[in-house]
Amino acid sequence: GAVVSQHPSWVICKSGTSVKIECRSLDFQATTMFWYRQFPKQSLMLMATSNEGSKATYEQGVEKDKFLINHASLTLSTLTVTSAHPEDSSFYICSAGDNNQPQHFGDGTRLSIL
Amino acid sequence: EDKVVQSPLSLVVHEGDTVTLNCSYEVTNFRSLLWYKQEKKAPTFLFMLTSSGIEKKSGRLSSILDKKELFSILNITATQTGDSAVYLCAVGSGNTGKLIFGQGTTLQVKP
Repeated sequence: GAVVSQHPSWVICKSGTSVKIECRSLDFQATTMFWYRQFPKQSLMLMATSNEGSKATYEQGVEKDKFLINHASLTLSTLTVTSAHPEDSSFYICSAGDNNQPQHFGDGTRLSIL
Repeated sequence: EDKVVQSPLSLVVHEGDTVTLNCSYEVTNFRSLLWYKQEKKAPTFLFMLTSSGIEKKSGRLSSILDKKELFSILNITATQTGDSAVYLCAVGSGNTGKLIFGQGTTLQVKP
């Protein structure tokens, strides 16, 4: 069964709306989770590393004020896309796993901004 | 700059064919190399490789890593239409579990 749960799977909303995506590790505690973004026919691009109890580490070119990450517990990380615009439409995927195990991915969230 | 390069980018074969997918990398602080299969949703895990020369096998799929030459291959024998997908190679870097992905190889298996 799934070891990482991501919710919601699909979001359609108006421009200017803020959208929150949740990522939960189901069978283990994850001090670190990762958020990726994938455009059509492209590979996964790491956006940020979510660290439990501390600030997220963002990759170069990713706006931290635009993509807010909160990792308040060992099983939950959230990504909030603030004031989303059509160019933010994408497939967002989270992953979790400890250093000795492969990363497991959530099912992803398809975000469409009208 | 860390990078992972996959080839070919796309491949069309017929059922029963054998395919070899390639992944080369230049990554500082290498920890592991992983192969994933992606269909319509998020990637599903296939293999994790950490040591050179040890083949990992699962059914018709197998993979091996060469840490000296910095590459890995994924083999699929007797391909089936259900093997059609994007195959992603990723390299784990550092102590955090961060993965750097290649562009992916799109495999289409025709009946």
